[in-house]
Amino acid sequence: EAAVTQSPRNKVAVTGGKVTLSCNQTNNHNNMYWYRQDTGHGLRLIHYSYGAGSTEKGDIPDGYKASRPSQENFSLILELATPSQTSVYFCASGDATGWNNQAPLFGEGTRLSVL
Amino acid sequence: GEQVEQRPPHLSVREGDSAFITCTYTDPNSYYFFWYKQEPGASLQLLMKVFSSTEINEGQGFTVLLNKKDKRLSLNLTAAHPGDSAAYFCAVSDTNAYKVIFGKGTHLHVLP
Repeated sequence: EAAVTQSPRNKVAVTGGKVTLSCNQTNNHNNMYWYRQDTGHGLRLIHYSYGAGSTEKGDIPDGYKASRPSQENFSLILELATPSQTSVYFCASGDATGWNNQAPLFGEGTRLSVL
Repeated sequence: GEQVEQRPPHLSVREGDSAFITCTYTDPNSYYFFWYKQEPGASLQLLMKVFSSTEINEGQGFTVLLNKKDKRLSLNLTAAHPGDSAAYFCAVSDTNAYKVIFGKGTHLHVLP
């Protein structure tokens, strides 16, 4: 069954600390995405990737880095976390143009609080 | 870059009534269109994926309309019931589907 797994599900971090959010997909999708969801803003795209080794900036990349070491894994890295990065983060994988014609499939989300 | 505007941000309807949500987008090269449903505290679930070439798409209890001339995507929930109460999001991408851009969402409340 298609799945996107995020870890951790909840995280409390201190200002200035480093935070890594991990995402794993077992769907063999080429594309992976990181979004943050905040009240009044919907989902905003932070970084995306179209394959292993690629990372691209989305609409709000400042303060975030991404890493795609393999087809299955896509990480979001906050090198110096700030309270403004408190949010719910969603990872997704998809391949709308591929043979399996998959729309983005979302993980369960990670709730991050930066104190 | 692509901009997606979704209206209304909040919508209350009576059970059995229709609920109509609209998104407008800016990129004329947009090719794939999506509607998602998000229940409180949960992740997003795909309602429907729409191709650029299809104007009317029927789902279970809803219809999705695509007007490429006006760059407008609409979701019509017919005969809404309390279980439809949730946030609904439209999303748009180009032919590569590398970037998928979301609207800000519509919070729908169906009153019994």
